[in-house]
Formats: sequence, C-alpha cells, structure tokens
Amino acid sequence: GENVEQHPSTLSVQEGDSAVIKCTYSDSASNYFPWYKQELGKGPQLIIDIRSNVGEKKDQRIAVTLNKTAKHFSLHITETQPEDSAVYFCAATTLYDKVIFGPGTSLSVIP
Amino acid sequence: DSGVTQTPKHLITATGQRVTLRCSPRSGDLSVYWYQQSLDQGLQFLIQYYNGEERAKGNILERFSAQQFPDLHSELNLSSLELGDSALYFCASSVPTWGAQTGELFFGEGSRLTVL
Repeated sequence: GENVEQHPSTLSVQEGDSAVIKCTYSDSASNYFPWYKQELGKGPQLIIDIRSNVGEKKDQRIAVTLNKTAKHFSLHITETQPEDSAVYFCAATTLYDKVIFGPGTSLSVIP
Repeated sequence: DSGVTQTPKHLITATGQRVTLRCSPRSGDLSVYWYQQSLDQGLQFLIQYYNGEERAKGNILERFSAQQFPDLHSELNLSSLELGDSALYFCASSVPTWGAQTGELFFGEGSRLTVL
C-alpha cells in the first residue's frame, strides 16, 4: 500500500522568510497529491493540491511542485506570516481511494 | 464550517468500555473516512465507506468497527477500550453525488476520546 514520508517534522522560520516541506510517496499509481493545514483544535483543511499531469501549481503565497519520476513533491510557502503557523500534512492517493497522509510538519512562524 | 458534523466532541470513559462516535457527512457526499490522531501523531487512516459499502481498510483494530447507513451517516464503534485508544478521531467526507469529484476531503472537528 501507499506510504508517505514527510520532512522536516518541525520547522521554525522568521516572519517573511520562506518555508519548504518535502514529501515522498511509494505507490506509483498515486496521481493526486493534496496538502492540508491543521490549526490548533480544528480538523485539517485543504490548502492546495496537484495532479500527476502537472509539475507545479501556485496559489498566491503557496506553491507545490511534483516530480513523478522521483516520487516526491514539495510545498513552498513564501513571505510567511504568523497565521501560517500550523501543522501541515501532505498526502498521496488516487481519486476515490483512501487518502494516506504523511506524519505532518509543525510550522512555527516567529514574528 | 466544513459541513461535516461529529458527535460527541468530547468523551471520557474507562478502560474496557465501549463507545460510539457519530459522523454526518457533508450534504450529498457519498464517501466517509475515519482517521485516528494520537497526541503529536499524524492522521492514521482507519476505514473508508462509499455509499454504504466498505471501500478500504487501514490499520483498524479488530476491537473497532464502523458502518455507513442508508442516509450516509457513519458510526465508529470502539470496544474493550484501552488507555492507548485515547486520541482524536476525525471523520471526513468526499465524493459528491452531483458536481465534479475534486478529491478534497472535508473534515469534521473531531471527537476527542479520553480513556481513563
């Protein structure tokens, strides 16, 4: 079955700096790679996703890149703000199938 | 508000007991997922239902069971509870009956189970 690894487990950055979180997956059949943000006391919420026919996708300060050959994908947050502080989860799946999450990255943005 | 409702929000019980967690998916969503999140842990996939049928199973213990009813709500039953079962249990829904399937999971706010 699918296995997703995620690094780093914790990340501290100064406000305004960039943050990068990296994930690898094992199942070459996976073709959908979402990223979720979990704020304290809440359920995870989708922030951006990418499909296997796309190499990069950007939404304002957030971007994701995908390398299907190497089976890894990354989340990039630029100009970080204190409200970006949260736990971020990557995931790999195919549509309609079970969604397997990475172990999470706790991001702290220091004002 | 994701549209997914989980009850109860908090539950405290003793070892050996049995509890039932309930999830009402987003209106029209056919698929329900259950995840377990222990302290400082990630989201462990337990089980997925699609339109009343079990679709995928993860590392769900034999003491745990789930079902999805004809009205699409789901229940997760946890029995013979142990201290290690203390966790946050999330339900998520997806796959709308109308509109495009985007793949997005909509999570509830979770049910926090404490086993003493």
